[in-house]
Parts: sequence; C-alpha cells; structure tokens
Amino acid sequence: DAGITQSPRHKVTETGTPVTLRCHQTENHRYMYWYRQDPGHGLRLIHYSYGVKDTDKGEVSDGYSVSRSKTEDFLLTLESATSSQTSVYFCAIRGTGGISNTGELFFGEGSRLTVL
Amino acid sequence: KNEVEQSPQNLTAQEGEFITINCSYSVGISALHWLQQHPGGGIVSLFMLSSGKKKHGRLIATINIQEKHSSLHITASHPRDSAVYICAVHSNYQLIWGAGTKLIIKP
Repeated sequence: DAGITQSPRHKVTETGTPVTLRCHQTENHRYMYWYRQDPGHGLRLIHYSYGVKDTDKGEVSDGYSVSRSKTEDFLLTLESATSSQTSVYFCAIRGTGGISNTGELFFGEGSRLTVL
Repeated sequence: KNEVEQSPQNLTAQEGEFITINCSYSVGISALHWLQQHPGGGIVSLFMLSSGKKKHGRLIATINIQEKHSSLHITASHPRDSAVYICAVHSNYQLIWGAGTKLIIKP
C-alpha cells in the first residue's frame, strides 16, 4: 500500500476559525491533490501540486489555500471556515512514469470536517 | 455534456451475477483509472490502463481507445462488492472524473 496519511481524520470547528488539513506521503511522488467529496457532486478538485512550491487551483478553490514546502507534505488551509466547507476531504498522490507522465493514483483515508 | 460519462448511475443485482459498468469519454486520454469506494470508506485504485485489458481476481477492466470506451466487469459478484465505482481519465495532464456508479449486490 502507498504511504499516504491525512490528519486530522475528523474535525469539528466553528464558523470563522482557521483549519489546516495535512497530507503526508512517503512515496516521493511528484503530484499531490486535494479533493472534496459531497453528496451529489462526486470528487471535486480544490488545489493540486506538481512539485515543491508549485501549486495550482482546481475547480472549487475559493476559500482554500495550499502550501507544499516539502515533497512529502501538502497542506490545505481554510483561512476562515464556513458551513459550506463542511465536507469530506481527500488527498491523493500520483506517481509518474512513461512518456505520458501518468501513474497510478493513491488516496488518503479522508478527513471529515464539520463547520458549525 | 460531461467529458466522462458512466453508466448506469445505479445498479442493483443478485449475488453471483456478472456485472458490467461502462465509462465513455470524449477527450483524448493517456490513461484511464477505475476506483472503488465503499460506503463511508476510502477510495481505492483498482486499475490504471491505457490499452487492452487487465484482470485482478474477479475484476476485469477493458479499454477501447478508438471507441473511447472502457468497461469494468465483476464476475461472480458478492455483497462485499457493493460500492461506488468511479472512472477517471488523464487528459492533458488533468484528471477528469466520472460521477460514479453505485453498485448494490443483494445476497
């Protein structure tokens, strides 16, 4: 199994408070992703990273920021949490290989965030 | 129209039945993934394929690049196969996700 862990796994917080979710990998994979999963929407990309200090926005990036200062860690921050950010957050990593630069996907176990 | 379409959206079958889930896409791809998510659970990668066919246990995945279509088959289905099955494609270094197929296998 790929070494990818998310923390915290569960968090309850209040509106307006900052929240940081951590994704840690031991695979030295280049690509890391943060998704949110909500009923009726499937997986939606928040931000992704293609290397240390190289990040880009996904389709639902408003209200979120990310940082990647080391290959192994990708942090997702909600500067001021809102109830609409209540969701399950998944981190994923992807290796690279071959001409097409694609690789297998591995997901963390998810972080369930509730914003009251 | 979504770039990745899965069918059916929901599927209920009896234990032992042969299951087929389909994924069609409209973009050029370099690879296609099939993933599984059990209720309340994490997401597990089942297959990554760019051509032909792969088999793992009772699961078989096929892809036809010319027809832009992939299928996931489950032989001798079991209640523990009940999950959401998700198709995703690599296109221009982006990942594009299908909406998922919810499979329920009744004993």
